[in-house]
Parts: sequence; structure tokens; C-alpha cells
Amino acid sequence: ETGVTQTPRHLVMGMTNKKSLKCEQHLGHNAMYWYKQSAKKPLELMFVYSLEERVENNSVPSRFSPECPNSSHLFLHLHTLQPEDSALYLCASSQDGTGGTDTQYFGPGTRLTVL
Amino acid sequence: GEDVEQSLFLSVREGDSSVINCTYTDSSSTYLYWYKQEPGAGLQLLTYIFSNMDMKQDQRLTVLLNKKDKHLSLRIADTQTGDSAIYFCAADTGRRALTFGSGTRLQVQP
Repeated sequence: ETGVTQTPRHLVMGMTNKKSLKCEQHLGHNAMYWYKQSAKKPLELMFVYSLEERVENNSVPSRFSPECPNSSHLFLHLHTLQPEDSALYLCASSQDGTGGTDTQYFGPGTRLTVL
Repeated sequence: GEDVEQSLFLSVREGDSSVINCTYTDSSSTYLYWYKQEPGAGLQLLTYIFSNMDMKQDQRLTVLLNKKDKHLSLRIADTQTGDSAIYFCAADTGRRALTFGSGTRLQVQP
């Protein structure tokens, strides 16, 4: 059973809207991740936070703004998105964000549709 | 950077073995993973293998690694309808993140 929850599970928004995706992990981990899964591309890493500090930003457009207020919560703030941003956004967490056997546990994702 | 490739679709009959293949390009990848994604759900880690191993077995799952050819496979013995899902191969690039393949959709026919 996943210890990573995401809300909302589905979101439809217009290009001028501002919305936020929320992720919460109950596993006591120190690292959290945002991934984008679209129909035409492999799973893409967007951001990595380790101990609430952003350690990876994978050339993501500024219309996506992450926030990690503490090690259990991660947000993705969205504004002026484009239809091509429609995708499944997955959150993950891991113990310390060092890779290798530091297993990532994924949430169920938020299905985002931009009209 | 790392590139991970998989075939898109595999169909098998219930009770048969399934073999899902994956190739990667970065020979320095130290860990390789298999994840499963069921409809409407996130990714679930199935197993992983360290690059100095050739094979790892875990119940019905067998992972084979050919490091020379940069080829990874996942064999599922006695495939069941509950195994129908998308299976992702991923490589650890040492950048705190994983590079994923596009996923192989496994369809198990009764």
C-alpha cells in the first residue's frame, strides 16, 4: 500500500487558471520528486528536493513552480499552462535522494488536463 | 545522457511466461529497476539489480542483465491476468534520478 498520496487525482484547468498539486508522504523520507508522464514521452523528472532543498531542476518551464515546506509535503504550483502540459504528474519519495538502493515510492498521480 | 528503450506491447496467454526486454546506453548505470504501473495507479517497484550481477530471482520474477550488451530483461513465470499492466525499465544515472523507458504494455489473455 502506497505511503505517498496525491491530490487532486484529476484536474481540469484553463490556460489562465492558477492551481496547485499536492503530494504528501507518510514514510519518513527526506527526498521528494515530481515526474511528468505524458502519452508521447517516457517518464520525465521535473524536480528533486532533498531535506526541503531543491537539488535538481530538469529545465522545467517557469510556469511550473515547486514548493517543499517540509520533508513530508511537496507542492507543484501551476499558472498559465499550455495544452501540451496535459499529462499525469507523479510524485515520489525516497529515504535520502542518493539513488542506487534508495528506492523511490510513487503516488497514484494527478491527471491534469489543460483546455 | 542515458537513453532507455523498450518494446511497446507484449501479449501472452495466461500461464505462459512473459519476457519484457529493455536496452540502455549508459554503461556506468549502477542499478537497473523494473516498475509496474496498473491503470489509474502510480508506479510500483517490482525489483532491481545491481550492475555486477547477471541474474536476480524473486518468486515468479527473474531479471537477467547482460552488461556487455546493455540489455536487461524481466521474465514473469506463470503469467496471470493480474499481471496485465505497463512495465517500466529504469536506470540509475547517479543524478538522484532515474531515466525511464517508455514502458511495455503487457496484455494477458485468459
